[in-house]
Amino acid sequence: GAVVSQHPSRVICKSGTSVKIECRSLDFQATTMFWYRQFPKQSLMLMATSNEGSKATYEQGVEKDKFLINHASLTLSTLTVTSAHPEDSSFYICSARLAGGYRDQETQYFGPGTRLLVL
Amino acid sequence: RKEVEQDPGPFNVPEGATVAFNCTYSNSASQSFFWYRQDCRKEPKLLMSVYSSGNEDGRFTAQLNRASQYISLLIRDSKLSDSATYLCVVNWPPSGNTGKLIFGQGTTLQVKP
Repeated sequence: GAVVSQHPSRVICKSGTSVKIECRSLDFQATTMFWYRQFPKQSLMLMATSNEGSKATYEQGVEKDKFLINHASLTLSTLTVTSAHPEDSSFYICSARLAGGYRDQETQYFGPGTRLLVL
Repeated sequence: RKEVEQDPGPFNVPEGATVAFNCTYSNSASQSFFWYRQDCRKEPKLLMSVYSSGNEDGRFTAQLNRASQYISLLIRDSKLSDSATYLCVVNWPPSGNTGKLIFGQGTTLQVKP
């Protein structure tokens, strides 16, 4: 199956610093990537949809100036958590959608996630 | 009403048991449905898509009832390795290529020896 990588896998930072997370599709091109956040014992919540070469679409309640998304190529999207605070500590997961037929458009392949802990 | 609703469980079953999970979704225009599996502290992995006619993959059977907006997953002959959280996932009706997935909170299964 398609492989998506994320880097770093975990990060611990001080409050007020910015953290960048990379999401790469390794063996396919992804015109669309998604960023999710998952708090303990809760489900994945979509934060934003990232389309290559255009601005990301953010879900209601997600601050676009705090969570900066860049999708500069068909294989790379980045999420930057700016001025991170302890409440931003969470599991951040990206996914990439294959470009292709109808069914392929619905299938998302997930990265392994990044655990962020803000002290 | 939640967009995708599941019983969080946990379901504790012995090895070899048959277990069924249910899920309801709120948007009748949704067109694609999935079951994902998530192990502790890992990313979700696609278990199977759910088709209108129902579909089976080995010990796993998925059913869809559009009229009731209800999806189910049946696991037969449970194995210890089936212990995980099962996520019911529904697509948000796409506009062009901008469809997105909505996740239920997941149902936790614990299979015991």
